[in-house]
Amino acid sequence: DIQMTQSPSSLSASVGDRVTITCQASQDISNYLNWYQQKPGKAPKLLIYDASNLETGVPSRFSGSGSGTDFTFTISSLQPEDIATYYCQQYDNLPRTFGPGTKVDIK
Amino acid sequence: QVQLVESGGGLVKPGGSLRLSCAASGFTFSDYYMSWIRQAPGKGLEWVSYISSSGSTIYYADSVKGRFTISRDNAKNSLYLQMNSLRAEDTAVYYCARGAGYYRGWGQGTLVTVSS
Repeated sequence: DIQMTQSPSSLSASVGDRVTITCQASQDISNYLNWYQQKPGKAPKLLIYDASNLETGVPSRFSGSGSGTDFTFTISSLQPEDIATYYCQQYDNLPRTFGPGTKVDIK
Repeated sequence: QVQLVESGGGLVKPGGSLRLSCAASGFTFSDYYMSWIRQAPGKGLEWVSYISSSGSTIYYADSVKGRFTISRDNAKNSLYLQMNSLRAEDTAVYYCARGAGYYRGWGQGTLVTVSS
């Protein structure tokens, strides 16, 4: 199985700050990497697919980059509504696997 | 827009069975692969299974293989998960999701609790 790691596990930032989350795969997954946002008590929502493609309707302050084993997710200017847990997920191989999540809150 | 509504969750004893359903609308259900993904209380996301648009291709996580069966009825726009021999570690919110690579559309989830 491909193991996904994320760092940090949690972070606290101020409104307007740039926030960066990293995701590392245990083997090369090309660009088969997605990012999801999950707010408390809600289902996850796809934000970024194929490492860097912004899902339709998602604000442009969200972005993703990377390929191979190392990926980055960025919120360019943190907003109060971005409080959530963010997960990366690979689909290069079965089983599909998710990172453990990064909890983002407001300082 | 994509709408997915799960049902069938509840409290079941270890060793028991449960059948989850997912009603789809807002898209041509028969065109899409569908998946089940679960989340144990306070934990992360775990992929459970996916089924191809025709139902001819199915995969399971090792943790549920031989106990869970995914199926679909394209005439009824519905996805199912038959869960047998349930264990405490199967306790989770179960989501149905559209897709097999990335999940563009999720239901609200249904809680399955396995406890005596």
